[in-house]
Amino acid sequence: DAKTTQPPSMDCAEGRAANLPCNHSTISGNEYVYWYRQIHSQGPQYIIHGLKNNETNEMASLIITEDRKSSTLILPHATLRDTAVYYCIVTPFGNEKLTFGTGTRLTIIP
Amino acid sequence: SQTIHQWPATLVQPVGSPLSLECTVEGTSNPNLYWYRQAAGRGLQLLFYSVGIGQISSEVPQNLSASRPQDRQFILSSKKLLLSDSGFYLCAWSVSPLSGSPLHFGNGTRLTVT
Repeated sequence: DAKTTQPPSMDCAEGRAANLPCNHSTISGNEYVYWYRQIHSQGPQYIIHGLKNNETNEMASLIITEDRKSSTLILPHATLRDTAVYYCIVTPFGNEKLTFGTGTRLTIIP
Repeated sequence: SQTIHQWPATLVQPVGSPLSLECTVEGTSNPNLYWYRQAAGRGLQLLFYSVGIGQISSEVPQNLSASRPQDRQFILSSKKLLLSDSGFYLCAWSVSPLSGSPLHFGNGTRLTVT
């Protein structure tokens, strides 16, 4: 199963773009990269996912490197409500098991 | 639209008592279902997942069990709770993450074992 590596914490100034990196160097060709976030005391919230191409939705953008070994989640204009733990996960090939790492604790600074 | 319901929202139980947490999904058929647990200040631990009625995969050997009596119902149980069972229990569903469908989480049950 592909594993992911994320920095344990990051700070970002309010109104600036928050760029959260994720390393998944053992990813295989048909595994998706998913991003979720968890605001304190709530269930995780789906943000975005991608396979090979960059993706954008109303919440964020996902940039996947050409070799697919890493990705970056971009929150274009961070607000205080974006303070949360952000999880990057990769779907394992051949089964439905989804495991979460420890994620990145993003703090938006006023 | 699809919705997921988890109850109760909070629960305080004495050590040695039984547990039953229920999760139901509406608006979809044959979902994959998941139980996760999050201890205070920790990450998400996958406990069980199910790809169909009666099909349960266990990830953590402990005093918890799961059942899927109906297509959209997932139950987490214990015969005797331990102090270490305290935590935030989350149910989730997906169509199939292998095909690009994300997980959708419920609001969770905060369990305190005293």
